[in-house]
Amino acid sequence: EIVLTQSPATLSLSPGERATLSCRASQSVSGYLAWYQQKPGQAPRLLMYDASNRATGIPARFSGSGSGTDFTLTISTLDPEDFAVYYCQQHSSWPWTFGQGTKVEIK
Amino acid sequence: EVQLLESGGGLVQPGGSLRLSCAASGFTFSRNAMAWVRQAPGKGLEWVSGISAGGSNTYYADSVKGRFTISRDNSKNTLYLQMNSLRAEDTAVYYCAKALSGWQPMDYWGQGTLVTVSS
Repeated sequence: EIVLTQSPATLSLSPGERATLSCRASQSVSGYLAWYQQKPGQAPRLLMYDASNRATGIPARFSGSGSGTDFTLTISTLDPEDFAVYYCQQHSSWPWTFGQGTKVEIK
Repeated sequence: EVQLLESGGGLVQPGGSLRLSCAASGFTFSRNAMAWVRQAPGKGLEWVSGISAGGSNTYYADSVKGRFTISRDNSKNTLYLQMNSLRAEDTAVYYCAKALSGWQPMDYWGQGTLVTVSS
């Protein structure tokens, strides 16, 4: 199965700053990578799919890039509501897998 | 409005069985692939299983293959997960989720149902 490794594990930033999250796959997933946001006590929320397509209703401050094995989620200007855990997920081959998550916390 | 409502969670002894259900509404259920994803307490997300829109294709995580069975009843707009030979490590919140389209990632999720495997 494809292993996804996210870095860093925790990102401590202030509102208004730029956040850059990384996801690396153990083998190529082409462009079949998604990003989710999860807040405590809530279900995950789809942010990006196919690496760079924003899901419905997702603000433009979220952007995704990458292909093959290296991917990035960027939040251009952190809003207070963006502090959460972010997961990447590959939908290239079965079984689908998630990364272990990156927590974006308030500095 | 898309709604996914899981049920069937609870406390079960190791080796026992449980069937989860997910009642879907607000979209044409028979046109979308569906999935189960779980999250152990304080841990990350783990994709468990997926099923095609018509139900003919199913996929499983290695950790549950041979023990769990995913199915759907499109006439009842309901997704199921039959879980057998349950282990302590299966303890988690189980989410039902709808694929965006085809085999795309999951764009709508239920609120989850807790399964606890313990003696």
